[in-house]
Amino acid sequence: KQEVTQIPAALSVPEGENLVLNCSFTDSAIYNLQWFRQDPGKGLTSLLLIQSSQREQTSGRLNASLDKSSGRSTLYIAASQPGDSATYLCAVGTSGSRLTFGEGTQLTVNP
Amino acid sequence: GAGVSQSPSNKVTEKGKDVELRCDPISGHTALYWYRQRLGQGLEFLIYFQGNSAPDKSGLPSDRFSAERTGESVSTLTIQRTQQEDSAVYLCASSLTGTGVADTQYFGPGTRLTVL
Repeated sequence: KQEVTQIPAALSVPEGENLVLNCSFTDSAIYNLQWFRQDPGKGLTSLLLIQSSQREQTSGRLNASLDKSSGRSTLYIAASQPGDSATYLCAVGTSGSRLTFGEGTQLTVNP
Repeated sequence: GAGVSQSPSNKVTEKGKDVELRCDPISGHTALYWYRQRLGQGLEFLIYFQGNSAPDKSGLPSDRFSAERTGESVSTLTIQRTQQEDSAVYLCASSLTGTGVADTQYFGPGTRLTVL
């Protein structure tokens, strides 16, 4: 059974800091890995999807890496802003259907 | 274009009542998914539709839960004889194909269900 763990559970940083969120998974037989952000009372917004054959994806200030053999992914956020405050979820896709989610990292960026 | 929509946004019901939750996927998306998020917990997979068939419904927690989908359109998640432990946010997602490594799931805003 796939299990996804995210560390840290919560993170508070000053504005402008670069930061790294970590995700690990137990079964390396994955199709892809997605990073989402979740704002209070709202649904999930897809940030990045890394296919199983890829090593990283970039979108603006976000960079996600994938090391399938070690079961790890990181989400790097450059020059953090207060608007980045949200819960960040890592989800692993298997067999093209269900996603298995971690419990998230709650990020607070202080002005 | 329009994203995934869900209704109602909030539902309060009494224990033992039946509820229906609705999901409208992105037009043209073949695959549709239901997840549940209990307070303070991660998202749990419930069921996956490919068209109007459900090849994976292994996440449905009990036979009180059922779901159907009309073609490649609307889906309804029904919970019969609701219990307090059913209280959660129910999230729906859709994706273009449901298969393949580049298939991104897009989520709706969710329905917050409270069972008194």
